[in-house]
Amino acid sequence: DIQMTQSPSTLSASVGDRVTITCRASQSISNWLAWYQQKPGKAPQLLISDASTLESGVPSRFSGSGSGTEFTLTISSLHPDDFATYYCQQYNTSPPWTFGQGTKVEIK
Amino acid sequence: EVQLVQSGGALVQPGRSLRLSCAASGFTFDDYAMHWVRQVPGKGLEWVSGISWNSGDIDYADSVKGRFTVSRDNARNSLYLQMNSLRPEDTAFYFCAKDAQGVVAAGSHFDSWGQGTLVTVSS
Repeated sequence: DIQMTQSPSTLSASVGDRVTITCRASQSISNWLAWYQQKPGKAPQLLISDASTLESGVPSRFSGSGSGTEFTLTISSLHPDDFATYYCQQYNTSPPWTFGQGTKVEIK
Repeated sequence: EVQLVQSGGALVQPGRSLRLSCAASGFTFDDYAMHWVRQVPGKGLEWVSGISWNSGDIDYADSVKGRFTVSRDNARNSLYLQMNSLRPEDTAFYFCAKDAQGVVAAGSHFDSWGQGTLVTVSS
């Protein structure tokens, strides 16, 4: 199975900060990567697919990049609504679909 | 608007069974594969099972293979997860999720999720 590793596990930031989360795959996954946002007590919500395609309705301050084994999710200017946990997911070799362990973005 | 409404979570004893349901609306249910994903409270996401649009392709995580059975009823726009021989380590929130395509295969992600339902396995 492909292992997905996110860093950092926790990120403390302020409103207006630029935030970058990294996701690394244990082998090349081309651009078959999705990013999800999850708020406490809620289901994950798809933000980005195919490494860089923003889902409809997702604010443009979110962006994704990367290919192969290294990917990033960037929030250009953190909004209060963005404090949440973010997960990457590979779908290059599936099943099984595998997720990173999550990155919690908390208020500094 | 896509809606996935889940039901069936409960407290059950080890070794017992439970069936989860996921009622879909807002899209053509029988065009898409569906999945179950679980999350131990406070932990990460684990894919559990997937089923293609016509139930012709079904897959399971090794951790549940032989104990869990996924099924769907396209006439009722519903997805199910039958969980047998439950173990304490199966305790988690269970989410149903809609695939972006009809088959259970590489190259597709999950574009809508149910609200989740808690399964607690404890004596």
